[in-house]
Amino acid sequence: EIVLTQSPDFQSVTPKEKVTITCRASQSIGSNLHWYQQKPDQSPKLLIKYASQSFSGVPSRFSGSGSGTDFTLTINSLEAEDAATYYCHQSSSFPYTFGQGTKLEIK
Amino acid sequence: EVQLVESGGGLVQPGGSLRVSCAASGFTFSGYEMNWVRQAPGKGLEWVSYVSSGGTTMHYADSVKGRFSISRDNAKNSLYLQMNTLRAEDTAVYYCARRYCSTTGCVNDYWGQGTLVTVSS
Repeated sequence: EIVLTQSPDFQSVTPKEKVTITCRASQSIGSNLHWYQQKPDQSPKLLIKYASQSFSGVPSRFSGSGSGTDFTLTINSLEAEDAATYYCHQSSSFPYTFGQGTKLEIK
Repeated sequence: EVQLVESGGGLVQPGGSLRVSCAASGFTFSGYEMNWVRQAPGKGLEWVSYVSSGGTTMHYADSVKGRFSISRDNAKNSLYLQMNTLRAEDTAVYYCARRYCSTTGCVNDYWGQGTLVTVSS
């Protein structure tokens, strides 16, 4: 099973700040790494697919990078509506796995 | 517009059974693989099961293997998860997700709103 480890688990940030969340895979997964945003009482929403491709309708302040085992989600100029939990997810091989999540709090 | 609507959740006793459903619309359901993903209260996301577009290939998480069964009815645009021998640790919101595949790879792009399954006496 491929283990995904996110960092940090929690971050408190101010609006307009730049945020970086990392995800490390226990073995190489190429670019089969995706990022989701989940707000309270909502289902997860796809932000970034295949490590760096923005999903339709996602604001341009969200971007992703990385390949192999190390990946990054960047949020430029954070907005209040970005308060959520962010998950990385690998679809390289079964069983599919998720990172433990990074909760973003807006000050 | 892609829509996935889960239903069938509820309260069930330990050892009991339940079937949850996912109604799909806004896309050609028979052309897409599908997944079930669950989330225990206050916890993270856990992949549960996968089914191929034709319904002939399935995969399961070890935590549910032998107890859960995924299926689909392409004529009815519906996905199912039959859950047997339920345990307290199966308590979660169950989401269905569409799996979109391209030359780059595959990704769960759209998710339903989820249905809550509570296993308790």
